Amino acid sequence: DAGVTQSPTHLIKTRGQQVTLRCSPKSGHDTVSWYQQALGQGPQFIFQYYEEEERQRGNFPDRFSGHQFPNYSSELNVNALLLGDSALYLCASSPRQGDTGELFFGEGSRLTVL
Amino acid sequence: AQSVTQLGSHVSVSEGALVLLRCNYSSSVPPYLFWYVQYPNQGLQLLLKYTTGATLVKGINGFEAEFKKSETSFHLTKPSAHMSDAAEYFCAVTLNTGFQKLVFGTGTRLLVSP
Repeated sequence: DAGVTQSPTHLIKTRGQQVTLRCSPKSGHDTVSWYQQALGQGPQFIFQYYEEEERQRGNFPDRFSGHQFPNYSSELNVNALLLGDSALYLCASSPRQGDTGELFFGEGSRLTVL
Repeated sequence: AQSVTQLGSHVSVSEGALVLLRCNYSSSVPPYLFWYVQYPNQGLQLLLKYTTGATLVKGINGFEAEFKKSETSFHLTKPSAHMSDAAEYFCAVTLNTGFQKLVFGTGTRLLVSP
């Protein structure tokens, strides 16, 4: 049973560019959340997707956007990259029904902005 | 708004010694509390959680935590440290398991020496 998978694992971009990160949830999960983890910090909630709609959003600017597909996979898009966007981006999934409060995390996509 | 404070960015113990990682939370309503562990270059893995019921919660790998409402604390303990316990530990809080919007602390790095 595959867990949460994310791609790419590492990427380097320059300021002003755009990036797309991808996530496939754990089998049987239909809810996906994205977190940003800056170096030496705890993860910060970006947003959550369920039924292809953004359901909750954290304190992130509109440069951060996302999408969820019918197969429950998700993308995170960041436009006009800033140096401060350098971080580990974590995707987490959970089942909406019978929610036990546990998130399953992927290994993350490490973004470096130069 | 809820928040989490983890006292001590680094904790060092000897193999076989007691592990104590501190977490205090701030919440206006009864919270749901979690401990996650992150090994190098990996995502987060749930150690244990408190939602309702028994205040002493047992998790994986011999860890446990006790919810103390009067002290607004949820400290993580393990009677005997193992070298494999060396990792980053995050305490997190949420008000509603259905939102998956966790608020994480800044983490505590556990170092275990032989």
